[in-house]
Amino acid sequence: AQKITQTQPGMFVQEKEAVTLDCTYDTSDPSYGLFWYKQPSSGEMIFLIYQGSYDQQNATEGRYSLNFQKARKSANLVISASQLGDSAMYFCAMRSSYGQNFVFGPGTRLSVLP
Amino acid sequence: DAGVIQSPRHEVTEMGQEVTLRCKPISGHNSLFWYRQTMMRGLELLIYFNNNVPIDDSGMPEDRFSAKMPNASFSTLKIQPSEPRDSAVYFCASSTSWDRSIIQETQYFGPGTRLLVL
Repeated sequence: AQKITQTQPGMFVQEKEAVTLDCTYDTSDPSYGLFWYKQPSSGEMIFLIYQGSYDQQNATEGRYSLNFQKARKSANLVISASQLGDSAMYFCAMRSSYGQNFVFGPGTRLSVLP
Repeated sequence: DAGVIQSPRHEVTEMGQEVTLRCKPISGHNSLFWYRQTMMRGLELLIYFNNNVPIDDSGMPEDRFSAKMPNASFSTLKIQPSEPRDSAVYFCASSTSWDRSIIQETQYFGPGTRLLVL
């Protein structure tokens, strides 16, 4: 069975600092993808970044990057130069070539302090 | 380009009433998903469609829930009769094509409908 674990229910970071949000996953499928979504207080789910299991390089999208460690089955999201607008819930999700659906983690609430 | 559109954004109703949630996916997207989000259970997939055909409805809680997709640009999720435990945020999402061979295909979510059943 596939499973996503996000062990940090809440995180605080000072504005302009970098922060890492943890995500570990469990799957026996050789081919899979990992996704991060942001959910601000307004409620919408915003797609941030994607990492494929066979990708040679860590994914980056602007201030977002993925620290992908395949052997450890972790796909941590790194946000550089945090901004107040980064305060939100962050969800890690996975899908594989065998599984048809997304599996979401429980989320991490990030609070950026001025 | 317009994203996924959901209506209403908020719905307050009394137990026993019928509730209909609506969704318009992104134009050109062939797959549509309905999710429910609660504090206790997180995000749960209720049902998804490919090319207007329901593929997996194993997440639909019970017979009180039904979903339709009469055409490529419109879907409804109906709860009849509604109960207080149905109170949640309901999301609709769409993707270009939800296929096992295209793992990198992501889903784009609508703003959600916040449902409160009294």
